[in-house]
Amino acid sequence: DVKVTQSSRYLVKRTGEKVFLECVQDMDHENMFWYRQDPGLGLRLIYFSYDVKMKEKGDIPEGYSVSREKKERFSLILESASTNQTSMYLCASSVTVPTEAFFGQGTRLTVV
Amino acid sequence: GDSVTQMEGPVTLSEEAFLTINCTYTATGYPSLFWYVQYPGEGLQLLLKATKADDKGSNKGFEATYRKETTSFHLEKGSVQVSDSAVYFCALSDRRNASKIIFGSGTRLSIQP
Repeated sequence: DVKVTQSSRYLVKRTGEKVFLECVQDMDHENMFWYRQDPGLGLRLIYFSYDVKMKEKGDIPEGYSVSREKKERFSLILESASTNQTSMYLCASSVTVPTEAFFGQGTRLTVV
Repeated sequence: GDSVTQMEGPVTLSEEAFLTINCTYTATGYPSLFWYVQYPGEGLQLLLKATKADDKGSNKGFEATYRKETTSFHLEKGSVQVSDSAVYFCALSDRRNASKIIFGSGTRLSIQP
């Protein structure tokens, strides 16, 4: 079975902190994604990576950056956390689009 | 651009009722269509998919048919169970735009015993 693992289920951080969200997949997938999930807004794509060291901005990249140094790992970085970044963050991977994406369990981040 | 619109929730049904969750899409190409489900406290998982017009995806008693003429992919189940309570997302992806899987806003389904 494909497994996508996010490093934390719950995080509480202070405003202004630099925050790292880690995601690892074990199926050698080329594509990895970071989404943000908010009530009434569905899933919004933050960043996408189609290969090591390659990345593309999604719909809401402001305030975020990403790192993909190894194929299996995709990190989301909040450079200076703000309260409006309190949300559920979901990582996903896929072989190629338009095949299905496999999701991690999510990280619920609260910025206080 | 491409988009997905699905019926707003929450939807509350009694056990064994018939379920329909509507989903329509806008796409200039020939997308693949998906339904994902999110159980409480978990990430999303694929429920079913269809890759071309008139395909029917099915899984766990759920079905959806890719209707190109009405640009729809409605989710149906003949008899729902309490364990079907979850949030359901309709989604599309277009092979011409490899960076995007576009999701609808989600429909929360609650089944009462």
